[in-house]
Amino acid sequence: AQKVTQAQTEISVVEKEDVTLDCVYETRDTTYYLFWYKQPPSGELVFLIRRNSFDEQNEISGRYSWNFQKSTSSFNFTITASQVVDSAVYFCALINAGGTSYGKLTFGQGTILTVHP
Amino acid sequence: DTEVTQTPKHLVMGMTNKKSLKCEQHMGHRAMYWYKQKAKKPPELMFVYSYEKLSINESVPSRFSPECPNSSLLNLHLHALQPEDSALYLCASSPWGEVQETQYFGPGTRLLVL
Repeated sequence: AQKVTQAQTEISVVEKEDVTLDCVYETRDTTYYLFWYKQPPSGELVFLIRRNSFDEQNEISGRYSWNFQKSTSSFNFTITASQVVDSAVYFCALINAGGTSYGKLTFGQGTILTVHP
Repeated sequence: DTEVTQTPKHLVMGMTNKKSLKCEQHMGHRAMYWYKQKAKKPPELMFVYSYEKLSINESVPSRFSPECPNSSLLNLHLHALQPEDSALYLCASSPWGEVQETQYFGPGTRLLVL
């Protein structure tokens, strides 16, 4: 079985602050894929990043960066210099390459980020 | 910009009604998905179609009936729904239906069952 835990239910920051969203996962598979999605109030899930279990390289995309650490089963997401438009629900998700969960994304409970002006 | 479109955006229906949700993708993908998302919860997978064939059904009640007329269209037929079926219904697609692929989501249909 697999599980994704986003311990932070809600985070509130003031614009320009840096914020880190935590994601911890559990899986028995050695091959798996991790994702982050953003869901603004409009409802659409917007894809942010995909990382496979063999690639621990951290990634930076503009103000966004991701820290993948297999040793701690974590895939954390940092927004630098947050903006009001970053306000959304952020989901971390996992998919295994095999087993009975094949083809099924397992989402964390989501973190509600509110950025105040 | 999303290339997965869903209609209608909002739907209100009674428990005796029959309605359909429609999803269309313009990316040439061969796999399509239906998810259900209750308020303040993550999306839950309902169905997966791969090459127009149903490949995963997550034990969804028969009052939800999916249909994939072609590789770019996915419908969800609704009949005799219950108030607890009120939710955001999200459609997604991916290139080949392989596990490592990214799923791209549409804007969803917000369904209210009275």
